[in-house]
Amino acid sequence: DGGITQSPKYLFRKEGQNVTLSCEQNLNHDAMYWYRQDPGQGLRLIYYSQIVNDFQKGDIAEGYSVSREKKESFPLTVTSAQKNPTAFYLCASSMGLAGGHEQYFGPGTRLTVT
Amino acid sequence: AQKITQTQPGMFVQEKEAVTLDCTYDTSDQSYGLFWYKQPSSGEMIFLIYQGSYDEQNATEGRYSLNFQKARKSANLVISASQLGDSAMYFCAMRVNAGGTSYGKLTFGQGTILTVHP
Repeated sequence: DGGITQSPKYLFRKEGQNVTLSCEQNLNHDAMYWYRQDPGQGLRLIYYSQIVNDFQKGDIAEGYSVSREKKESFPLTVTSAQKNPTAFYLCASSMGLAGGHEQYFGPGTRLTVT
Repeated sequence: AQKITQTQPGMFVQEKEAVTLDCTYDTSDQSYGLFWYKQPSSGEMIFLIYQGSYDEQNATEGRYSLNFQKARKSANLVISASQLGDSAMYFCAMRVNAGGTSYGKLTFGQGTILTVHP
């Protein structure tokens, strides 16, 4: 089945540690995105990538880093510089950045940092 | 900058009745798209419906329709014949199609929690 996979579903880390969240898609989509969702809030864009080896900062990129070495993969690293890393992280992909191309979302990863 | 406003934190509806979830937006761009997503308690985001700014007809997808009023900058979601499985958080989102720093970004509202009563 085509779709987006994120692993793991739940992730626990100690403060001061970097952690990498996985996102893989087999939809052959060019564009990929990372969002953060805090309880009772909407989604906020962290990073997005239109094409392999290229990515752009979203609205809340500080304390995060990404890479796009393969079309299918867009891992997100939450660094120790991120002040409030505990959140629900959603990865998405779409055929393109514009027009009616809806974004397809993965199941998300709940990160808890203590 | 784009902004999406959903003024209803929570809505209640009786099963089989229709419900309207409000969404207003703000943008200076002429070409944009409006999306509605459903987020059940499990957390995944499910795409429901899309409306382009130049579409003359209101979008419909099964029991979902989008009441698009461009002059008022509103894009309300109408769910007809509500079902218990419709209970979820609903998000309105917008994406501009023109170039510039906002290109490609999907801006979300705060969401509305819908509860369907039997």
